[in-house]
Amino acid sequence: LAKTTQPISMDSYEGQEVNITCSHNNIATNDYITWYQQFPSQGPRFIIQGYKTKVTNEVASLFIPADRKSSTLSLPRVSLSDTAVYYCLVGATSGGSYIPTFGRGTSLIVHP
Amino acid sequence: GAVVSQHPSWVICKSGTSVKIECRSLDFQATTMFWYRQFPKQSLMLMATSNEGSKATYEQGVEKDKFLINHASLTLSTLTVTSAHPEDSSFYICSARAGEQFFGPGTRLTVL
Repeated sequence: LAKTTQPISMDSYEGQEVNITCSHNNIATNDYITWYQQFPSQGPRFIIQGYKTKVTNEVASLFIPADRKSSTLSLPRVSLSDTAVYYCLVGATSGGSYIPTFGRGTSLIVHP
Repeated sequence: GAVVSQHPSWVICKSGTSVKIECRSLDFQATTMFWYRQFPKQSLMLMATSNEGSKATYEQGVEKDKFLINHASLTLSTLTVTSAHPEDSSFYICSARAGEQFFGPGTRLTVL
């Protein structure tokens, strides 16, 4: 399983763009990169998933360089409600062998 | 998107009793579900992989006789914490895959 490394914590202010980078140096060819958001006492919530280049949805963008050894989750114009822990997971999403394993995550605090 | 539910959402029990937590995939079938445990301000720790119709696969250090997992149907997996003790107090989360991974809302277990 590819190990992931993220900053433990980040601080931002309302309205700013936040970029959280995850390192996954031993990512495998079949692995996808998935980001989750977790609020206290809740289960993780899917944010975005990608394989290479750039993926964008209604809440975030995911940037993946050509070597795929890292990825960056970009949250545009954060609000107080974006205060949460963000996890990046790496693994093959097809087939029965994928076991979603969590790293330490990044605790994002958004200040007024 | 797909929905994973857990019941109960919280439970308080006396030391020495057993507690059963249910995990259901509401609108899809899941041959594989995962059980996690999360202590305060820590990441999710994978406990076991629950396989429909067969024995669960436990992670190293997780006592299979204490944490009984039954995956009797394609939409239901149960985790029974037997002879619970205060150190078993934690937040238990299950997940299942329908394309992407979906996580349940979690169950807060407090053992007095």
